[in-house]
Amino acid sequence: EIVMTQSPGTLSVSPGERATLSCRASQSVGSNLAWYQQKPGQAPRLLISGASTRATDIPARFSGSGSGTEFTLTISSLQSEDFAVYYCQQYNDWPPEITFGPGTKVDIK
Amino acid sequence: QVQVVQSGAEVKKPGASVNVSCKASGYTFANYYIYWVRQAPGQGLEWMALINPSGGSTYVAQKFQGRVTMTRDTSTSTVFMEVSSLRSDDTAMYYCARSVGISATPNWGQGTLVTVSS
Repeated sequence: EIVMTQSPGTLSVSPGERATLSCRASQSVGSNLAWYQQKPGQAPRLLISGASTRATDIPARFSGSGSGTEFTLTISSLQSEDFAVYYCQQYNDWPPEITFGPGTKVDIK
Repeated sequence: QVQVVQSGAEVKKPGASVNVSCKASGYTFANYYIYWVRQAPGQGLEWMALINPSGGSTYVAQKFQGRVTMTRDTSTSTVFMEVSSLRSDDTAMYYCARSVGISATPNWGQGTLVTVSS
């Protein structure tokens, strides 16, 4: 099983500041990496797939980068609605071996 | 408009089984996989299984093999997941989500809370 780790566990940021979240895979996943945002009481929302492609209706302040084992999600200027938990997810081809990272909580500084 | 709508909350006793449904609409049902992901209270996301509605083939994560079964009804565009031999640590929100093959999941159901308690 591919193990995903995320850092930091919690990130305290002021509105308007930049946030950089990291995700690491225990072995290469190529570009098969997605990022999700989850707010309390809600289902996860897809932000990024293929490591760097924004999903439909996702604002341009969200960007993803990386390949292989190291990935980054950047939020260029945090808005109030961006305070949430962010998960990375890798998805291998067949047989599927889909795993999530433990999440990074972005809260208000 | 793409939607996946799940069945309502369930309360089960240890050892029982639960069946959760996921009804799809707004797209061609056979063309997209349905994933199942669960989230225990205060915890992260855990991928469980997937079904390909075209043909009905399934894949279950090793942790859940032997306890998770999925079926689909193409006439109603609905997927069903049964989890058997429930334990207290199966208490979680269970989500279904739509995917194009083995990929990210842009469309999620609202979740079904399953509580296992004696």
